[in-house]
Amino acid sequence: GAVVSQHPSRVICKSGTSVKIECRSLDFQATTMFWYRQFPKKSLMLMATSNEGSKATYEQGVEKDKFLINHASLTLSTLTVTSAHPEDSSFYICSARDRLTSSSYEQYFGPGTRLTVT
Amino acid sequence: QQQVKQSPQSLIVQKGGISIINCAYENTAFDYFPWYQQFPGKGPALLIAIRPDVSEKKEGRFTISFNKSAKQFSLHIMDSQPGDSATYFCAASLSSGTYKYIFGTGTRLKVLA
Repeated sequence: GAVVSQHPSRVICKSGTSVKIECRSLDFQATTMFWYRQFPKKSLMLMATSNEGSKATYEQGVEKDKFLINHASLTLSTLTVTSAHPEDSSFYICSARDRLTSSSYEQYFGPGTRLTVT
Repeated sequence: QQQVKQSPQSLIVQKGGISIINCAYENTAFDYFPWYQQFPGKGPALLIAIRPDVSEKKEGRFTISFNKSAKQFSLHIMDSQPGDSATYFCAASLSSGTYKYIFGTGTRLKVLA
């Protein structure tokens, strides 16, 4: 089956620093990757849609200068939280759609990254 | 119009019982409805999905019932087991654009042994 990995799985950083989260499709090429944020006991909130080779599309209310997304290849997308603050602490999850089944709706989800900003 | 409403928020079921979770949507352009299972600290995993041209789909102990006219769909877990204890999310997607998902609010299921 299609596998998506995220690195790191957990990260603790100090307030004011930036942190990068990687999302990789391991056995398929992803035309589109999605980044979600999930607060404890809450649903997944879509932050942005990332297409390979083009700028990400951010959802309303998501600061694009705060959450930098780069989709440099068909297997890698990165989310950088810039100047992180405690309120950015959350569970960040990525998902990807398979390029070869471009008409398929299915998204393959990564295991998530727990970010804690102290 | 982009919301997907999910109920109940939490559910407790005895082992062997049937768990039923419901979702409702407004946007008639949605054309794909998946259900995801999520364990604490993990990413969601696809359980089963349905398209609006089908009223029911069954995979093992999991069944989706879909009512297009009422704009509702539900997940039935037959013979619920303690290992099914998790949070379940419904979602809806559009084929136009990026196929992004709109998730429901989630249901925390606990199956008692």
